[in-house]
Amino acid sequence: QVQLTESGPGLVHPSETLSLTCTVSGFSLTGYSVYWVRQPSGKGLEWMGRMRYNGDTSYNSALKSRLSISRDTSKNQVFLKMNSLQTDDTGTYYCTRGTWDWGQGTLVTVSS
Amino acid sequence: DVVLTQTPSTLSATIGQSVSISCRSSQSLLDSAGNTYLYWYLQRPGQSPQLLIYLVSNLGSGVPNRFSGSGSGTDFTLKISGVEAEDLGVYYCMQATHAPLTFGSGTKLEIK
Repeated sequence: QVQLTESGPGLVHPSETLSLTCTVSGFSLTGYSVYWVRQPSGKGLEWMGRMRYNGDTSYNSALKSRLSISRDTSKNQVFLKMNSLQTDDTGTYYCTRGTWDWGQGTLVTVSS
Repeated sequence: DVVLTQTPSTLSATIGQSVSISCRSSQSLLDSAGNTYLYWYLQRPGQSPQLLIYLVSNLGSGVPNRFSGSGSGTDFTLKISGVEAEDLGVYYCMQATHAPLTFGSGTKLEIK
């Protein structure tokens, strides 16, 4: 069955870079796109960007200057890197299989 | 960016009551190929969002048929015919016709 699992540091200091990994199973990264979506605590959902099945990427213009998404198909992993983190980047970060399946999310706190 | 306006922001219902949630888009979600990429998700407390409806009116896998979606162009509706206790949570619409993908601000369903 399809599974997506996000992993990352939990705590990041202001101005530092966030690195998250999405490990997938039950489907191929060359067959489906993977999205990153985030949710500030108690708030709504924001689409951050995607790694398409063919290796192309696209980003939310609001985050594009800080965001990079890459993948390792041999390890079934998609990576998110976002620099210059601030406190309003605190929230839960999800990876999804396109519009279909979601991971359980990983909480990222930006604090000194 | 496309703005999705959901109403109401909060909904209180008794078990068995039928309710509707509106999602209005700032632009038509019909693309040049005749597809409308409008989705509905439910986020139960403490969980990640799950897909309810895709492409306006198609029921997601395993989703009970008391959920239904309708609409076209810029106006869309999610209906729950006979609310059950497990339906409590926040409902989001999302569009994937225009980049970046965007979400509505959510409708919180409470059970009386």
